[in-house]
Amino acid sequence: SAVISQKPSRDICQRGTSLTIQCQVDSQVTMMFWYRQQPGQSLTLIATANQGSEATYESGFVIDKFPISRPNLTFSTLTVSNMSPEDSSIYLCSVHAETQYFGPGTRLLVL
Amino acid sequence: SQQGEEDPQALSIQEGENATMNCSYKTSINNLQWYRQNSGRGLVHLILIRSNEREKHSGRLRVTLDTSKKSSSLLITASRAADTASYFCATSRAAGNKLTFGGGTRVLVKP
Repeated sequence: SAVISQKPSRDICQRGTSLTIQCQVDSQVTMMFWYRQQPGQSLTLIATANQGSEATYESGFVIDKFPISRPNLTFSTLTVSNMSPEDSSIYLCSVHAETQYFGPGTRLLVL
Repeated sequence: SQQGEEDPQALSIQEGENATMNCSYKTSINNLQWYRQNSGRGLVHLILIRSNEREKHSGRLRVTLDTSKKSSSLLITASRAADTASYFCATSRAAGNKLTFGGGTRVLVKP
């Protein structure tokens, strides 16, 4: 099993600013995944983060907007850069450890 | 883009009734998973069914998979008010790999 924590749990930000979301796992995992869930919508994968290499981004997501760090096998950060109201979403990190586990999410509101 | 489509988008039933929701997908898969999400919180993994399996049970949950039709169904029997949540299917093309989510079904169980 895996226990995932995220910080912050929620935030309200002004447009044009950036927010870094942290994801901590209680065990070492190879891949960490970052998802976005826009209001009332399903989850969409932003990128896959492997330790020691650059993240792999899905179509529609770019590194300049969503830079990701993966300094070790238990931790990752996702930054939402130059935010606009359209970035208001829940951001979730996820890992695979026998099954898929999700963090509690970071609820972001951009004004 | 999301691979999975779920129907219905919303379902309202009385406590004690069964709830059935369906998921369709487009490409070949390694496995299909169902998740529950309460009020925009983190996702809870319910059940995983592999591509070589046709049916799986877990408590009051029954999942079927028809790879020829690229579809799956989730049945919740004897529903309870606590089953009120959004339910998502998600497919993976390789074990432990990224997930592609369906649009979700919002289930309301009235006491």
